[in-house]
Amino acid sequence: KAGVTQTPRYLIKTRGQQVTLSCSPISGHRSVSWYQQTPGQGLQFLFEYFSETQRNKGNFPGRFSGRQFSNSRSEMNVSTLELGDSALYLCASSVLPRGGNYGYTFGSGTRLTVV
Amino acid sequence: GQQLNQSPQSMFIQEGEDVSMNCTSSSIFNTWLWYKQDPGEGPVLLIALYKAGELTSNGRLTAQFGITRKDSFLNISASIPSDVGIYFCAGRLDAGGTSYGKLTFGQGTILTVHP
Repeated sequence: KAGVTQTPRYLIKTRGQQVTLSCSPISGHRSVSWYQQTPGQGLQFLFEYFSETQRNKGNFPGRFSGRQFSNSRSEMNVSTLELGDSALYLCASSVLPRGGNYGYTFGSGTRLTVV
Repeated sequence: GQQLNQSPQSMFIQEGEDVSMNCTSSSIFNTWLWYKQDPGEGPVLLIALYKAGELTSNGRLTAQFGITRKDSFLNISASIPSDVGIYFCAGRLDAGGTSYGKLTFGQGTILTVHP
């Protein structure tokens, strides 16, 4: 059974640019969450999607947005990149919203570096 | 952002020793999760706890959901070199509203095992 697939694995962008990250959940998983991981702030919740609807959003500026498609694949977009956006962006999927009783399965992440 | 208080921050142990780490929170959670993260990878779920007082084992790992719902601990018995990594606790409150689906993570415990 394929795991959560995130693409690309690595990305280098220039300040001011925008970026789109992709996440394909485990087959059958309909809930997708996104997290930002940095050495200083740790793992911080960005947002969660279920059935193409955003169910919850963390405390991030409006430059961070996401969406989910009918096949449960999800994308997140960061516009007007800042140096502080450099981080490992992790996607997690679960069978049910809120993780159900199966927890969340994380992908390997996309390492974004803003220069 | 809000984080759980996880301790210790790091541990250096000899192979074969037992390990204990814990998380405390000022808020209650309905679910406690323990993850392990290897360098360059996403967190991998080790144990999920869904009821206050629950004690769950997964091989050499044992975790407990505190009675107050504000804490959890993880024990690793007879450590081996492949136990090296960062261990995270995470809490989830299934109360809908702004906490819907959101995982709140501890800062992590870095475990080093000397052969």
